[in-house]
Amino acid sequence: AQKVTQAQTEISVVEKEDVTLDCVYETRDTTYYLFWYKQPPSGELVFLIRRNSFDEQNEISGRYSWNFQKSTSSFNFTITASQVVDSAVYFCALTLGGSYIPTFGRGTSLIVHP
Amino acid sequence: SQTIHQWPATLVQPVGSPLSLECTVEGTSNPNLYWYRQAAGRGLQLLFYSVGIGQISSEVPQNLSASRPQDRQFILSSKKLLLSDSGFYLCAWSPSSRDEQFFGPGTRLTVL
Repeated sequence: AQKVTQAQTEISVVEKEDVTLDCVYETRDTTYYLFWYKQPPSGELVFLIRRNSFDEQNEISGRYSWNFQKSTSSFNFTITASQVVDSAVYFCALTLGGSYIPTFGRGTSLIVHP
Repeated sequence: SQTIHQWPATLVQPVGSPLSLECTVEGTSNPNLYWYRQAAGRGLQLLFYSVGIGQISSEVPQNLSASRPQDRQFILSSKKLLLSDSGFYLCAWSPSSRDEQFFGPGTRLTVL
């Protein structure tokens, strides 16, 4: 069965620091999809990025970047020059090809202090 | 563009009372629909999902049920609430199984 591990329960940084949120996944399938979501204090989860298992290209979107490495089964998320608005719980998720059911990690709470 | 609505935003109910939470999606057709519960401690628990009208799959046996009477409407119900049903309930939709999910604003349920 598949599994997603976000080992960091909570990370606390000061504004403008860079921070990396780790995500390690387990699956024997060759076709799968990886996601990151952000849950701000308001509660609504917001989709950030999707990667399929055949696309290991890293992605950068403004201050956000994602590093997908199949060799280590990791899909890490880095925020550069963090801001207070980045404070949220971040979830990594995995869906196998052909499955309707995503597997979510337990989330990492990021607290950015001014 | 697509939008997902969920109501009510907050709800306080006594133990043993019924429950009905509604979720509707606009701007798309035949979406996959999902109900999640998030208890204190952050983890997301998938309760039900639906790939079409009248098609409901349950992931966790409990006193909750779900129905999809229309293509873009997903309802979460209970005949008698338990204290353990308290939590944050999130509805989500996705265009297909390999796509990202889009979440509603959530309903915070407190059972007293």
